[in-house]
Amino acid sequence: KAGVTQTPRYLIKTRGQQVTLSCSPISGHRSVSWYQQTPGQGLQFLFEYFSETQRNKGNFPGRFSGRQFSNSRSEMNVSTLELGDSALYLCASSLVVGPQETQYFGPGTRLLVL
Amino acid sequence: KQEVTQIPAALSVPEGENLVLNCSFTDSAIYNLQWFRQDPGKGLTSLLLIQSSQREQTSGRLNASLDKSSGRSTLYIAASQPGDSATYLCAVSNFGNEKLTFGTGTRLTIIP
Repeated sequence: KAGVTQTPRYLIKTRGQQVTLSCSPISGHRSVSWYQQTPGQGLQFLFEYFSETQRNKGNFPGRFSGRQFSNSRSEMNVSTLELGDSALYLCASSLVVGPQETQYFGPGTRLLVL
Repeated sequence: KQEVTQIPAALSVPEGENLVLNCSFTDSAIYNLQWFRQDPGKGLTSLLLIQSSQREQTSGRLNASLDKSSGRSTLYIAASQPGDSATYLCAVSNFGNEKLTFGTGTRLTIIP
């Protein structure tokens, strides 16, 4: 069974631009969560989607948004990029909503904002 | 607000030794606790998940324990190998808050 895939793996953008990251969960998994990892703040929860509905949201500004499609694939969008948005963005999938079960993480998308 | 701490931030041990990584959390009303490893530039790999009703979980050379009342968990690695070198993260989930709160991790180096 294929693991969680994220595209693209690396991305370079400039301040003010917007970016869309994609995550395909493990087949059959309906929950997708997104996390941001930076050296200073560590891993922080962005949001979680289950059956196309946002179920939980972390403490990030409205520039960060996401959605989930009927096939469970998810995208997250960051508008008006800032230097501080440079980070590794990880998505995780699980069968059910919430972390009651093991979360399976993808390899991440490394975003660099110049 | 849940806070998760991992000490030490970095640890180096000779190959073959047994070692213990520590994780502490401030809010004991947790649903479960998970241990992950992260290799440089890579995503997270789940190692062990302990439900709040459990005291420990084992997988191969790894053993994780949970003491909810004291807000602590340990990850025991037996007979360490160079391939165990990675950053180890613990994460907890709380009732009513369906997200993982991560610790800052312990960077482990096994010296051949």
